[in-house]
Amino acid sequence: DIQMTQSPSSLSASVGDRVTITCQASQDISNYLNWYQQKPGKAPKLLIYDASNLETGVPSRFSGSGSGTDFTFTISSLQPEDIATYYCQQYDNLLTFGPGTKVDIK
Amino acid sequence: EVQLVQSGAEVKKPGESLKISCKGSGYSFTSYWIGWVRQMPGKGLEWMGIIYPGDSDTRYSPSFQGQVTISADKSISTAYLQWSSLKASDTAMYYCVRVPQTISSFDYWGQGTLVTVSS
Repeated sequence: DIQMTQSPSSLSASVGDRVTITCQASQDISNYLNWYQQKPGKAPKLLIYDASNLETGVPSRFSGSGSGTDFTFTISSLQPEDIATYYCQQYDNLLTFGPGTKVDIK
Repeated sequence: EVQLVQSGAEVKKPGESLKISCKGSGYSFTSYWIGWVRQMPGKGLEWMGIIYPGDSDTRYSPSFQGQVTISADKSISTAYLQWSSLKASDTAMYYCVRVPQTISSFDYWGQGTLVTVSS
């Protein structure tokens, strides 16, 4: 089984800050990695697919990069509406989510 | 517009059976996988399994194999998640998800069905 880890598990940042979340796979998954946003009390939403491609309609302040085992998700300028938990998910072998990173406003 | 509409919240006792549903619309139901994701209270997301309504091919996460049954009725564009004997640990939010043929992402999500199992 492929295990996914994320860091940090939570963070607080100010509006306008650059926020970076990392996701690591236990083995090489190429670019088979997606990112999701889950706002409190809501269903998750796909933001980025194939490590770096923005889903249609997703603001350009969100971006993703990486390949192999190490991936990064970035919010270039944190907005109040970005308060959420963010999950990575691999699909190289079955489907596995990372444990999530909770993002708050400082 | 793609929509996945799930059945309502359920309160059950341990040992009871349950079947929850998810109706897809706005796309070709038989051309995408449809699956289920569990979220226990205050916890993360866990993929449970998927079914391809076109031919009923079903894949389960090893963690959920034998614990639940996923099925679909393509004539009414509806997928199901079923338990034969619920446990308190099945208490969770269950999301229905659409999955492309490549089995890569969960591109559309239902609103969630809260299942509470308590004596």
